[in-house]
Amino acid sequence: VQLVQSGAEVKKPGASVKVSCKASGYTFTSYYIHWVRQAPGQGLEWMGIINPSRGSASYAQKFQGTVTMTRDTSTTTVYMELTRLTSEDTALYYCARGTVGTFWDYWGQGTLVNVSS
Amino acid sequence: QSVLTQPPSASGTPGQRVTISCSGGSSNSGSNTVNWYQQLPGTAPKLLIYNYDQRPSGVPDRFSGSKSGTSASLAISGLQSEDEADYYCAAWDDSLNGALFGGGTKVTVL
Repeated sequence: VQLVQSGAEVKKPGASVKVSCKASGYTFTSYYIHWVRQAPGQGLEWMGIINPSRGSASYAQKFQGTVTMTRDTSTTTVYMELTRLTSEDTALYYCARGTVGTFWDYWGQGTLVNVSS
Repeated sequence: QSVLTQPPSASGTPGQRVTISCSGGSSNSGSNTVNWYQQLPGTAPKLLIYNYDQRPSGVPDRFSGSKSGTSASLAISGLQSEDEADYYCAAWDDSLNGALFGGGTKVTVL
């Protein structure tokens, strides 16, 4: 099982970023994918969950309206797009495989998003 | 309440036992399982304990978990230098319909 994320991004305030998470080594539609972020020197923050089978997603209240999670079953890739970026969105973004709940058995390597003017 | 509370730090000498608490409420740790994650410096979190007290394959048995009411605990017995890391508890919150993390506990081996 592997989750491989896209590379680091540098964005200006107000811009959008789209991070990818390519899954391999298991049946893509059998597990949910969660997104978790970690600001520099801070703790972990859950952003939301996508069901790769149905394409349906649910987001933490804080991110509703600014985050969109999608998937492409043909490439077994999940995407997380965050819009209207501010400096407070500077963080490492992780995707993690799991169920509904907090059981995450495989994690991506993380993608650093740096929002700076 | 929709918060998981952990102590910010814990420490011990090699060989000692260290315990980390995770206190929540009826909507999270009181009704849903608590899982624990270890994050070594510069790496992604790793599943350490699931369903309160289960260890994934490969996790040493010096790590153990327990539950009492709306709280959970992680114990590290026979502390080793490689256990120096941040530890997070996590639970689903039914009120938020989302996942919650504790604030994290930094374990230092003296």
